[in-house]
Amino acid sequence: DAGVTQSPTHLIKTRGQQVTLRCSPISGHKSVSWYQQVLGQGPQFIFQYYEKEERGRGNFPDRFSARQFPNYSSELNVNALLLGDSALYLCASSLTGWSTNEKLFFGSGTQLSVL
Amino acid sequence: RKEVEQDPGPFNVPEGATVAFNCTYSNSASQSFFWYRQDCRKEPKLLMSVYSSGNEDGRFTAQLNRASQYISLLIRDSKLSDSATYLCVVQFTSGTYKYIFGTGTRLKVLA
Repeated sequence: DAGVTQSPTHLIKTRGQQVTLRCSPISGHKSVSWYQQVLGQGPQFIFQYYEKEERGRGNFPDRFSARQFPNYSSELNVNALLLGDSALYLCASSLTGWSTNEKLFFGSGTQLSVL
Repeated sequence: RKEVEQDPGPFNVPEGATVAFNCTYSNSASQSFFWYRQDCRKEPKLLMSVYSSGNEDGRFTAQLNRASQYISLLIRDSKLSDSATYLCVVQFTSGTYKYIFGTGTRLKVLA
């Protein structure tokens, strides 16, 4: 079975532009969450989606948005890019995102560089 | 205060050594606990869950102390391949389930 897939792997944008990142979860998993990881820090929670509904949101500005599709894949959009948005964006897949002791499985991430 | 705190290290240890990492969390409503391993610029990978009774997986032992709100990871007989960053992860609910990651502790095992 395929693991979590993310695209693209690398992206270079300039300030003010918009970007869309994509994620396909593990087959059978219905929850997708997004994390931002800057160098030297742990992943920071951005969003969690389950069954196409937003179930959690981290402390990120409204420039960040996401959605989940009927096939459980997901997109993360970032508008009006800032230099500080440069980071590794990780998508995590889980069965429901609600159960105690439920494990997260990560994709290999999208490295975004904002110039 | 950060919700999940770890000593960033680095911990430089010789091959064969035993090394321990601690992690503290601030939210007493935390439900579940994990250790993830992350190699440089790669995605985090689950190392092990942490159960109240403590659990072991080969050379790795995880402990949870709910009263003091900390978890630990012990690595025995360190291998060169254990060199990585170890992330402490806490799952809790505050209206919805969230997974909070620590900054990570860097381990370098030296030949």
